[in-house]
Amino acid sequence: EPEVTQTPSHQVTQMGQEVILRCVPISNHLYFYWYRQILGQKVEFLVSFYNNEISEKSEIFDDQFSVERPDGSNFTLKIRSTKLEDSAMYFCASSRMGEQYFGPGTRLTVT
Amino acid sequence: AQSVAQPEDQVNVAEGNPLTVKCTYSVSGNPYLFWYVQYPNRGLQFLLKYITGDNLVKGSYGFEAEFNKSQTSFHLKKPSALVSDSALYFCAVRDGGGYQKVTFGIGTKLQVIP
Repeated sequence: EPEVTQTPSHQVTQMGQEVILRCVPISNHLYFYWYRQILGQKVEFLVSFYNNEISEKSEIFDDQFSVERPDGSNFTLKIRSTKLEDSAMYFCASSRMGEQYFGPGTRLTVT
Repeated sequence: AQSVAQPEDQVNVAEGNPLTVKCTYSVSGNPYLFWYVQYPNRGLQFLLKYITGDNLVKGSYGFEAEFNKSQTSFHLKKPSALVSDSALYFCAVRDGGGYQKVTFGIGTKLQVIP
């Protein structure tokens, strides 16, 4: 069964550094998303992406964040200058028109 | 705006007993409702969804959920709990179809006691 994959599973970075989180959505899906879950808190929407552009973003998704689909398979989330409060689990998801399928997540630790 | 409430932080149930995990929602349009499960150090696994039709929807691992429009609820149920069902359960809602974002509840920890 096809599934969403994410790399790396765990990323440790120093405050102020740039990180890129990578995702490979399910191949015939058209819509792509990033969510995050701070430890012990609920899953929060960051951004949705369709037809090579952002379709919706939350107030969390400020100028330090960007997304890209550099080729036909990858979908990336870049955090330009990480802050301590960016430490969280980041989930990628993809869908056609119905339910969203989530990847296993990348745990980002900012020190 | 859309929102989800899961009133119970934790639900404890004995193995073999029926379980219910509660969820209420708020949307301005037609609700698309979902349940996801998260095992420790794992991603979110889709369990089931309600879009339209029969108010009782069946999903993976023997779970089902009942949509109640008048009470704006979408409670998750299972007739007989297993220890392996112990996990974190998230209810989620989307306002209509398409590609819009999904809004999650805070999650309910289900503990099935042997």
